[in-house]
Amino acid sequence: VRLEQSGAEVKMPGESVKISCQASGYRFTSYWIGWVRQMPGKGLEWMGSIYPGDSDTKYNPSFEGQVTISVDKSTETVYLEWSGLKASDSAMYFCARDGEGLFDLWGRGTPVTVSS
Amino acid sequence: SYELTQPPSVSVSPGQTATIACSGDAVPRQFGYWYQQKPGEAPVLVIYADSKRPSTISERFSGSSSGTTLTLTISGVEAEDDADYYCLLADDSGAKRAFGGGTKLIVL
Repeated sequence: VRLEQSGAEVKMPGESVKISCQASGYRFTSYWIGWVRQMPGKGLEWMGSIYPGDSDTKYNPSFEGQVTISVDKSTETVYLEWSGLKASDSAMYFCARDGEGLFDLWGRGTPVTVSS
Repeated sequence: SYELTQPPSVSVSPGQTATIACSGDAVPRQFGYWYQQKPGEAPVLVIYADSKRPSTISERFSGSSSGTTLTLTISGVEAEDDADYYCLLADDSGAKRAFGGGTKLIVL
């Protein structure tokens, strides 16, 4: 049972990026998966979550409209996407599953760096 | 969104008991969760639904909820417990979630 995240991204301001979180070892469509941001030296922030079974998506109001969470059931992968990155988007991004408890299984994180 | 307050740091000697508090007006109405995060690693769930412990977590970890405060208690603290700890509150649908600011547990 694991969540495998895509590798580090280095982008320029204004660029787009889509990072991924591929699940394995459990029934993918039955568990919510969320994204959590951690800026350098700071705490955890919930960005939003998606239910792969029906693509129902819930966003933290602080992030709604800034990012898009999506799912591909055929590859058991959840995505987090930006269309216009800012320097302030530089952070570590974790995906995590709701199982026995909320966020009971985590990916190892994807660092995103936005710099000119 | 929920506002959750944690102390920035808690210090404890090995073998003693550490308590970390998480306060917020919504605590009485929702279940609380606790996560341990060590430097350079992903967080790990240590307590869910206020007081339940995943099977992989040491019995030294326990949780409780009273009034507007969630409490994480670590008995017989060991050097390996030195980490950041975050509380999380969520509504029943999971549509509304918020983490506390985090507490650094310092094992002296």
